Amino acid sequence: DGGITQSPKYLFRKEGQNVTLSCEQNLNHDAMYWYRQDPGQGLRLIYYSQIVNDFQKGDIAEGYSVSREKKESFPLTVTSAQKNPTAFYLCASDRQGGNQPQHFGDGTRLSIL
Amino acid sequence: KQEVTQIPAALSVPEGENLVLNCSFTDSAIYNLQWFRQDPGKGLTSLLLIQSSQREQTSGRLNASLDKSSGRSTLYIAASQPGDSATYLCALSGFQKLVFGTGTRLLVSP
Repeated sequence: DGGITQSPKYLFRKEGQNVTLSCEQNLNHDAMYWYRQDPGQGLRLIYYSQIVNDFQKGDIAEGYSVSREKKESFPLTVTSAQKNPTAFYLCASDRQGGNQPQHFGDGTRLSIL
Repeated sequence: KQEVTQIPAALSVPEGENLVLNCSFTDSAIYNLQWFRQDPGKGLTSLLLIQSSQREQTSGRLNASLDKSSGRSTLYIAASQPGDSATYLCALSGFQKLVFGTGTRLLVSP
């Protein structure tokens, strides 16, 4: 079955450490997205990519970085510059051109040690 | 800037009841509106997508409507079941990205 795989499910970060969250999709979707979800808040867009080797900042990109070297993969790095990284991170994908539902992974929960 | 509001934030109903979840938005220039379901600790599952030119979509016991002129969408759930307990989020698609509401947490008790 096609879908989106996020790993790990739980991740812990130490002070000053960069951590990378993995997102892989086998849906042959062009566009991929990273969202952050905090308790009581809606999803907020961190970065998105519509094509390989290209990506754009979302609403809360500071302290995060991404790459899109392959169509199937869109890893997110939470850098030490992100002072409040504790959140639930969701990766999504959809077909280029809109009017198609977004598909989501099961998320990675990041906490501070 | 698009703002999306969902009311109520939480809802508790007995099994079998019909219910309506509300979503309001400030900018009617949208491509589509999507309703999602999120179970605790999980990702989102797409339930219904209404294109900008449509007024409603139906899937099983779910019916979603869209009124762009009033900036509102409703998700109607018929004959609710305990398995419907989850958080329901609406999201508006503008240029290249979705804007999400904060969700309605639904609890259906047996």
